[in-house]
Amino acid sequence: DAGITQSPRHKVTETGTPVTLRCHQTENHRYMYWYRQDPGHGLRLIHYSYGVKDTDKGEVSDGYSVSRSKTEDFLLTLESATSSQTSVYFCAISEHTKDQGAKQYFGPGTRLTVT
Amino acid sequence: RKEVEQDPGPFNVPEGATVAFNCTYSNSASQSFFWYRQDCRKEPKLLMSVYSSGNEDGRFTAQLNRASQYISLLIRDSKLSDSATYLCAVNRGGGFKTIFGAGTRLFVKA
Repeated sequence: DAGITQSPRHKVTETGTPVTLRCHQTENHRYMYWYRQDPGHGLRLIHYSYGVKDTDKGEVSDGYSVSRSKTEDFLLTLESATSSQTSVYFCAISEHTKDQGAKQYFGPGTRLTVT
Repeated sequence: RKEVEQDPGPFNVPEGATVAFNCTYSNSASQSFFWYRQDCRKEPKLLMSVYSSGNEDGRFTAQLNRASQYISLLIRDSKLSDSATYLCAVNRGGGFKTIFGAGTRLFVKA
C-alpha cells in the first residue's frame, strides 16, 4: 500500500464547469503523476510533478492544469469540462531505483462523467 | 504506431493452463520494464519488474528480448484469481515517463 488516496472517487458534472481532483500521498514521494484511462487507449499521462511547484506536461495535457503546493498533494483541474474528458483518472507515485527503474503505484482512481 | 503494443485478447484459458502474453516496444532507448495487473474497476498494481536475465515470481515468469524489443509474461498453472487485465509498461530509464500498453485481458475458467 503506497498510501495514495484520491478524492472524489466519483463525480458527475456538467459540460463547461471547472472540476478539481485531488491526490494525496502520505509517504513523501517526490514524483507524482496524473493519468487518464480509456478503453482502447490504456493509461495516458496528463501531467506529472517532480517536486513542489515543479510540474510538466504529459501526452494529453490539453484542457488540464495541475498544481503541487505541498509534497503530499497533487491537484488536477479541468478548466472547463467537456464530454471527451469523461474518463477514469488515476494518480500515481513512483519509486526510483538504479537497477529497477521507476516502479509506479496507483491511487484507487476517480470516475468522472461529464454530461 | 503506438510506442508500446499488446494483444488486447481476451485470452480464455481453463484452470491449470499455461498462458503467455507478449508486449512490443518501439523505443530502443527503453531501459526499465514492468508488468502490472489490473482487476475490473480497480487501479493497476505492480506485478513484477522484468530483468534482462529474466525473472520468476512463483507461477509468473517475465522475460525481456532487447534484440526483438519485446517483453513477455508467462503464467503457469492458471488460477481463477488470475483473471484480470495485464498491462506492460516501459520506462526510458531515470526519466519520469512510463509508457503503458493498453492491456491484455485474461479470463481463467473452471
